[in-house]
Formats: sequence, C-alpha cells, structure tokens
Amino acid sequence: NAGVTQTPKFQVLKTGQSMTLQCAQDMNHEYMSWYRQDPGMGLRLIHYSVGAGITDQGEVPNGYNVSRSTTEDFPLRLLSAAPSQTSVYFCASSESGTDQPQHFGDGTRLSIL
Amino acid sequence: EDQVTQSPEALRLQEGESSSLNCSYTVSGLRGLFWYRQDPGKGPEFLFTLYSAGEEKEKERLKATLTKKESFLHITAPKPEDSATYLCAVPSNGGSEKLVFGKGTKLTVNP
Repeated sequence: NAGVTQTPKFQVLKTGQSMTLQCAQDMNHEYMSWYRQDPGMGLRLIHYSVGAGITDQGEVPNGYNVSRSTTEDFPLRLLSAAPSQTSVYFCASSESGTDQPQHFGDGTRLSIL
Repeated sequence: EDQVTQSPEALRLQEGESSSLNCSYTVSGLRGLFWYRQDPGKGPEFLFTLYSAGEEKEKERLKATLTKKESFLHITAPKPEDSATYLCAVPSNGGSEKLVFGKGTKLTVNP
C-alpha cells in the first residue's frame, strides 16, 4: 500500500513563480488536509476537504488554493510564491474527519528565493 | 480558541531513564486526543487515540493517559530508537473539521 504520496519531495522556486504540490491517497479516505511545518511553529492547517467537491480554509490559507475533483487527489497551489512560504508541507488523510487518526505523507520541502 | 500546549519543548534522557511528556488542551467537547511520532525528514506517524478521561493506551515502552485537561505520554526505560519529536493534537469544535497540533516535544535518548 502506498498510503499518502506527495510530489515533489524537494523544490526551489523564485519569488513570484507558481507551482502545484501534489497529494494522492489510495485508501479511499474522504478527509484530506494540508499543513505547513515551520521551526518553532508546529503544524499549521492550510486547507482541508471533507470529500470530493468540498474544501474549506484552515488556520493559514492566504496565498494557497486547493481543489478536490476526485477522492484520491488534493493538490495545493501556490499562486505567486513568496519567501514567507518557504516551509515543509505535509498532506494528510483520514477515513472521514478529524476524530480519526491521520495518515501523513513524507512532505515536500519548498524553498522560495 | 482551541489550544494545545506541549511541554517540555525538548527532553534529553539516558537510555533506561523513564520520564513523561505533557500535552495540555483547551477545547469544548473533546472528540479525541491524538499522539504522533515524527522522525527527521518524515511525516508524523500515528501512535494513540484517547477519547475519554481515565483512558490509557500502551505500545511497547509508551503509555498514553488522559485527564479532563491534559494527556501524558509516559516513556518507560527508553532506548535510543525512541528519539523523535512527539506531537499531540485535538480536533477543534465549532462545526469545522480542523485539527489543532501542539508544537511538539523533541526527545533525545542517549546510549
């Protein structure tokens, strides 16, 4: 079982560039979410989805877009990258919500120059 | 506002030296408290879920306990391979499906 797969693992961008971080899960989970992890800040929720076609904002949504066209995929888009978005990004999924264990990918390490 | 606070931020132990990590939370209507382990360069890995005060869960050298205000992760006779960052999280209330994480405790076990 692949679980939660994130691509790419590493990426360097220039300020103002756009890119999409990919997240796919093969467990037929309804709930998916994106976090960023920064030193001293812990994991902070960016966006989440409770099912295909439904997304909502988390704690730090500004500068990021998401969509959920299928159950399996939940891409995160950076519209115009800024140095403040340098971080490690984690995607997670669970069967139906936050009252169940989350399965995390291994992260995308993103640097914005 | 729902909050999760973990202490200490970092803990160094000698192999075999037992200790506890703390996770205090403020949320109305607890829908579960989760412990995760995170190794460097990896995503968090699920350890335990606790749903009600008085509940305990065990796995190898780890035991998690829960009261109405906090949870403890007890580590008995730790080994160097227990070195990791331990994260605590609770679901937020208020009609949203958001998970609130503490900042974690970085545990180092020296041989």
